[in-house]
Amino acid sequence: QQQVKQSPQSLIVQKGGISIINCAYENTAFDYFPWYQQFPGKGPALLIAIRPDVSEKKEGRFTISFNKSAKQFSLHIMDSQPGDSATYFCAARKSTSYGKLTFGQGTILTVHP
Amino acid sequence: EPEVTQTPSHQVTQMGQEVILRCVPISNHLYFYWYRQILGQKVEFLVSFYNNEISEKSEIFDDQFSVERPDGSNFTLKIRSTKLEDSAMYFCASSGHRESIDEQFFGPGTRLTVL
Repeated sequence: QQQVKQSPQSLIVQKGGISIINCAYENTAFDYFPWYQQFPGKGPALLIAIRPDVSEKKEGRFTISFNKSAKQFSLHIMDSQPGDSATYFCAARKSTSYGKLTFGQGTILTVHP
Repeated sequence: EPEVTQTPSHQVTQMGQEVILRCVPISNHLYFYWYRQILGQKVEFLVSFYNNEISEKSEIFDDQFSVERPDGSNFTLKIRSTKLEDSAMYFCASSGHRESIDEQFFGPGTRLTVL
């Protein structure tokens, strides 16, 4: 019940295309859902996050869509660029937690020029 | 821009030896974390630390692990007797006040190799 399942494991997109990464969770106590971006040799960096009281959040080219009833959320990267090539992790946190993040398995995104 | 720093960047040790991984969190942050990432796998939570005590820990964080904030700036993770399966990238993270606990800032990591 503590798991966050992420798909696909890897994704190849052409420059200018849309990248979509999906996550699903079981534990309804999760109430905060961030996406992290990780470049090789670096730590994860917060990209965008959402709470279940909204169904969508957009920041620039990055959008989170959230479906509370289905317990799913997804990251959409519009106009994907080669510089977006990285590993993306979804995560979830319970409100009762002192910040513990439960991460998905990660998606390796490659954007071809 | 403030950042979390970690030392060393790479630590090689023999099985059974003790290692201490060091982190300097962002200076006004109150919550501190250790995560690990085995090569090619997801990031896993180890422990959170607030008000000079452990607030939450995972099943991975057994008696071989300990954390300490010895001097108000450093935050350390000690592994008493390393095992081969402890080989991983260890990330320190920190976040601010309770209202901003959500945004965790991660350091660049320490790659631990146990031989």
